[in-house]
Amino acid sequence: GAGVSQSPSNKVTEKGKDVELRCDPISGHTALYWYRQSLGQGLEFLIYFQGNSAPDKSGLPSDRFSAERTGGSVSTLTIQRTQQEDSAVYLCASSFTSGGTGELFFGEGSRLTVL
Amino acid sequence: EDQVTQSPEALRLQEGESSSLNCSYTVSGLRGLFWYRQDPGKGPEFLFTLYSAGEEKEKERLKATLTKKESFLHITAPKPEDSATYLCAVLDYGGSQGNLIFGKGTKLSVKP
Repeated sequence: GAGVSQSPSNKVTEKGKDVELRCDPISGHTALYWYRQSLGQGLEFLIYFQGNSAPDKSGLPSDRFSAERTGGSVSTLTIQRTQQEDSAVYLCASSFTSGGTGELFFGEGSRLTVL
Repeated sequence: EDQVTQSPEALRLQEGESSSLNCSYTVSGLRGLFWYRQDPGKGPEFLFTLYSAGEEKEKERLKATLTKKESFLHITAPKPEDSATYLCAVLDYGGSQGNLIFGKGTKLSVKP
């Protein structure tokens, strides 16, 4: 497909477990972003990768959250020791260049539910 | 601190009834203001980028305008398929190019 692909689409886990969320960006897009969307809240920035530059991790809410991007393409967001407040939809986006144009292409998200 | 406030939170229109959505923002230096559309269960879909006060962009029944403190998304003669949540976001020159600040959105419902 031509769009941003995320997996899993839904994940239910128990408090304290680790989860991994995957994002396949659009081919050729150099920038990749992770946001999360909680019920009734706006999208919250988590992390931004641009080319080979060091990622901007300033939005990660705690050290339980980490992300990597391998080979400038696929990205994995890892949440360790999940808490109930981590329940949200995690959205990945990519863009052809940096975020300055605002034209981000979003995936459909991974809905995480922590019991 | 950068802030984006959208109003109203929800808007119900009859088909053909034109209206406007508002996005007020506070940034130290505006790099860009962006409008997205989000359908239930989907990721946001990019609509427009506005860079400077006075700028306007149009797409079908939608027109976005920008002033130094706010942006409007005008919807002319809406159709039921325009029903969605409309999100506004800003990018600050002083921040990361990946950190778009989003508002909470306006949920638009258009009844036939």
